[in-house]
Amino acid sequence: TQLLEQSPQFLSIQEGENLTVYCNSSSVFSSLQWYRQEPGEGPVLLVTVVTGGEVKKLKRLTFQFGDARKDSSLHITAAQPGDTGLYLCADRRYNNNDMRFGAGTRLTVKP
Amino acid sequence: NAGVTQTPKFQVLKTGQSMTLQCAQDMNHNSMYWYRQDPGMGLRLIYYSASEGTTDKGEVPNGYNVSRLNKREFSLRLESAAPSQTSVYFCASARRNEKLFFGSGTQLSVL
Repeated sequence: TQLLEQSPQFLSIQEGENLTVYCNSSSVFSSLQWYRQEPGEGPVLLVTVVTGGEVKKLKRLTFQFGDARKDSSLHITAAQPGDTGLYLCADRRYNNNDMRFGAGTRLTVKP
Repeated sequence: NAGVTQTPKFQVLKTGQSMTLQCAQDMNHNSMYWYRQDPGMGLRLIYYSASEGTTDKGEVPNGYNVSRLNKREFSLRLESAAPSQTSVYFCASARRNEKLFFGSGTQLSVL
C-alpha cells in the first residue's frame, strides 16, 4: 500500500511550458525528499523539506511544503527536455531509517 | 569515487533458482537499503539496515533475505525465485537521516 500519493502519474508537455506535480498523504510527513530518476539510473536527491510552509528553489524548480506538512509540490518553470524523468517523493514515515517512496510522476518534455 | 556499487547489472533466473545480489558502498554510511521498482509502483522497500549488525523488514520482505556483512556491504538473497520477483532492484545507502545514494540497479528476470 502506497502511503504517499503522487499526481499526475504521467505528464507530457512541450519545451517552455510550466508544470506542477504533487505529493500528498493523509498523515503528517516527518520530512520530505524529492528525487529525480533518469532511465537506467538510480534516483538522485533534488531537495529535502522539513518545515511546514517551507519553499525551496533550485534553479527553475520550486518546491513547497504544505503548512500542515501533509502535502508538497514541485513546480518547474519553462521546462526543458533535460527535465524529462521520473520524479519521486519520499518520507521517513515510521522511523528515521525507514524511507518510503511514492509511485512517482513520469515527466516527458518534448522539444 | 565509486559510491554505491551493485552487481550484477542483469540476471535471468529460472523459477526456483537462488541468487544473491551484492551491494557495497565506500562512503562510510551507517544505513543501507534494498528497494524493488516495478512499473507504476515507484520504489518499494524490501529490507533496510540501520547499522552494521542490524536488519529490518520493509514493505515487501516476503521471499527475500538480507545480510549486513560489514559496514560496507549489504546483500539481498532470493532463496527460490518466483516470476513475481521480476523487477529492477536498487541498493542505497545514507548517513543517519540524510539523503539516499543509489546504485545503478540490477535488472532481474525470473522465467
